[in-house]
Amino acid sequence: GAGVSQSPSNKVTEKGKDVELRCDPISGHTALYWYRQSLGQGLEFLIYFQGNSAPDKSGLPSDRFSAERTGGSVSTLTIQRTQQEDSAVYLCASSRDHSGNTIYFGEGSWLTVV
Amino acid sequence: KQEVTQIPAALSVPEGENLVLNCSFTDSAIYNLQWFRQDPGKGLTSLLLIQSSQREQTSGRLNASLDKSSGRSTLYIAASQPGDSATYLCAVSSGNKLVFGAGTILRVKS
Repeated sequence: GAGVSQSPSNKVTEKGKDVELRCDPISGHTALYWYRQSLGQGLEFLIYFQGNSAPDKSGLPSDRFSAERTGGSVSTLTIQRTQQEDSAVYLCASSRDHSGNTIYFGEGSWLTVV
Repeated sequence: KQEVTQIPAALSVPEGENLVLNCSFTDSAIYNLQWFRQDPGKGLTSLLLIQSSQREQTSGRLNASLDKSSGRSTLYIAASQPGDSATYLCAVSSGNKLVFGAGTILRVKS
């Protein structure tokens, strides 16, 4: 597609439920990133994919968070047993590869846990 | 651990003024530095990318400089317009990820 596409754009869920957030990167981009932006906070790195593998998962805040990428394209970020502190904007980004190219962001998935 | 700081945190200027946003980083071992713009409720839009071997990049009314040895970058906006109002984020490519500053909130008054 023309840009990074994320869905859902907005999600309200009850505490304790699982949620899945989807990212469709720019076609041909091999590098994919997930970031989290909490209200009034900066961007927090979560995970990086090169192709289907995740060489850097260091930012995942707990074992309730997981992510996968299939076919070198679409990625899903899953949050299990959501907590209120998980409420944030989850931003996905992609770049052509991991060698200093411009990184393009999606519009984000706004998650509210009530 | 790479840390990125942006000054000022917020800036309000009248339309037409030239302005400078500052970014500093603690570890000079970076691949590149990127400036982004974020409008309220939106994702990030890439403005300029400066590779570690470069000193500056220009796009329209925007000019970004990089002094890797001193760990500093500036974003210069010429002849500011109300449409420039947004949060401006600086990010350095460090290892496998971008490390972001907290941003500068810019308001250009008409």
